[in-house]
Amino acid sequence: IVTTQSPLSLPVTPGEPASISCRSSQSLLHSNGYNYLDWYLQKPGKSPQLLIYLASRRASGVPDRFSGSGSGTDFTLKISRVEAEDVGIYYCMQALQDPLAFGGGTKVEIK
Amino acid sequence: QITLKESGPTLVKPTQTLTLTCTVSGFSLSTGGVGVGWIRQPPGKALEWLALIYWNDDKRYSPSLKGRVAITKDTSKDQVVLTLTNMDPADTATYYCAHRGWDIAARPGPFDVWGQGTMVTVSS
Repeated sequence: IVTTQSPLSLPVTPGEPASISCRSSQSLLHSNGYNYLDWYLQKPGKSPQLLIYLASRRASGVPDRFSGSGSGTDFTLKISRVEAEDVGIYYCMQALQDPLAFGGGTKVEIK
Repeated sequence: QITLKESGPTLVKPTQTLTLTCTVSGFSLSTGGVGVGWIRQPPGKALEWLALIYWNDDKRYSPSLKGRVAITKDTSKDQVVLTLTNMDPADTATYYCAHRGWDIAARPGPFDVWGQGTMVTVSS
């Protein structure tokens, strides 16, 4: 399964919303009803951190301005109001089956 | 509190074998559902999943590494070891290990805790 993100780069204005797309080459919907798509943020110089799992569930401690949606092959990560600390590279990852696959990343930077 | 820490050489020569150790704390490698994965990131490039090992010693590998990779664990030492043979300059990357727990549907969950990473350069 291949995951493709867009855009590659996303200049954002603080306080404004932002949206990142992730598409998979096969459906990530498991027979249990969950979509196995995760979102990670890698802040500059840091290790990746989990933001969203099962397409729409926020990880512990993640601000509620982050939300995930989508099903099947099309998924979206939304930031309702971007803050300066949200800069970094966002990755989606399909977790339905091996081999696990990350998207190419979307770099979010402040305008 | 779950933590993971990678260790190993910072520089290896082409054709050599790389051995990296991930030392974990805050959880047991024998706890049902637990997994530890290795992920790498070449400079300026995207993340790439390499291997996974589960509590029951089930092992999974990326087919892109074509048999060069092996993963083992030592539960008594709280360590997971990644071995990558026949190193090439293209293997230059930061290598991360990460914890993978069980999700709400009783399946392998996301990588919820990551180590700090260790940079490995392949050069003669």
